[in-house]
Amino acid sequence: DAGITQSPRHKVTETGTPVTLRCHQTENHRYMYWYRQDPGHGLRLIHYSYGVKDTDKGEVSDGYSVSRSKTEDFLLTLESATSSQTSVYFCAIRGQADQPQHFGDGTRLSIL
Amino acid sequence: KNEVEQSPQNLTAQEGEFITINCSYSVGISALHWLQQHPGGGIVSLFMLSSGKKKHGRLIATINIQEKHSSLHITASHPRDSAVYICAVSRGGADGLTFGKGTHLIIQP
Repeated sequence: DAGITQSPRHKVTETGTPVTLRCHQTENHRYMYWYRQDPGHGLRLIHYSYGVKDTDKGEVSDGYSVSRSKTEDFLLTLESATSSQTSVYFCAIRGQADQPQHFGDGTRLSIL
Repeated sequence: KNEVEQSPQNLTAQEGEFITINCSYSVGISALHWLQQHPGGGIVSLFMLSSGKKKHGRLIATINIQEKHSSLHITASHPRDSAVYICAVSRGGADGLTFGKGTHLIIQP
């Protein structure tokens, strides 16, 4: 299995609080992604990174920021969490362009 | 209209049946992906294909680029095949995947 770890695995927090999710990889892959998965919407891309300090927005980036200060870590931050951000968040990594993405086990985030 | 459409949304079949899940897309792609997600579980990549056909065990994936259509087939289905099967497309470069909403498959013994 690809070496990809998400933390925390579960989190419950209150509206208005900041939240940071971490994705850690041991594969030295260049590309990293954050997705959210919601009933009725499926999986949607939030942000992605194509190298250290190189990031870009995805389909549903409003309310989220990311940082990648080293190859192995990609952080997703909700500056002021809202109930609409309750979701399951998946990180994924990819090596070369002709390779599939490998997904982490997900983080279940509940915002009350 | 979603860029990636899957059918059916739900499928219940008996053990041993031949299963087909369909995926249509409306954008230019570099590759099409089939993923599997077990209940409460993570997401596993089954196939990544840009032309023709790929086979892995009892699973077969085909793609018709001209018709912008792909199918995932499961032969001799088994209850352990019960999962959500997700079609996704990639457009090339660093871009992430665009997903269909998934097909919830239940195989009854």
